[in-house]
Amino acid sequence: GAGVSQSPSNKVTEKGKDVELRCDPISGHTALYWYRQSLGQGLEFLIYFQGNSAPDKSGLPSDRFSAERTGGSVSTLTIQRTQQEDSAVYLCASSLEASQPQHFGDGTRLSIL
Amino acid sequence: EDKVVQSPLSLVVHEGDTVTLNCSYEVTNFRSLLWYKQEKKAPTFLFMLTSSGIEKKSGRLSSILDKKELFSILNITATQTGDSAIYLCAVALSYQLIWGAGTKLIIKP
Repeated sequence: GAGVSQSPSNKVTEKGKDVELRCDPISGHTALYWYRQSLGQGLEFLIYFQGNSAPDKSGLPSDRFSAERTGGSVSTLTIQRTQQEDSAVYLCASSLEASQPQHFGDGTRLSIL
Repeated sequence: EDKVVQSPLSLVVHEGDTVTLNCSYEVTNFRSLLWYKQEKKAPTFLFMLTSSGIEKKSGRLSSILDKKELFSILNITATQTGDSAIYLCAVALSYQLIWGAGTKLIIKP
């Protein structure tokens, strides 16, 4: 696609439910990143995928968070048993390779009631 | 601990003014410094700087890196209301970016 595509754009769910966020990177980009941005804060790194290598999961805040990238393209970020503190905008970015600038999707705004 | 600090945190100026945004860093394994503009949604890429003293320019925006003093500045001349945004600085360490908290810039007509 022309840019990074994320869905849904907004998600409202009840505390304790599981949510799945989707990211479709720019075609041909080998690197994919997930970030979290809380209101008024900077970007918090969550996870990084590069090609077929093992992902860097060092930014995931708890074991309720997981992500996968199938076929080196689309990625899903799953949050289990959501908590109110999970409310944030979840941004996905991709780059041609790790040393190149990252291009962001519009994000998913997640609200936990 | 790697860190990136931006200043000021917020800035309000009038249309036509020139602004300078600052980004300082303390990191290991520096590869590059990047500037992004974030309006309502996704950050959009502005500049990537890898070498000291070489100015990058795009229209009214310009940026320069000082690797000795470990900082970068982003200049915007003849500001317009459309420049209102959060400006984010990030430093690349291999594949990971360390992000500053951003400078919120408001341009008043």
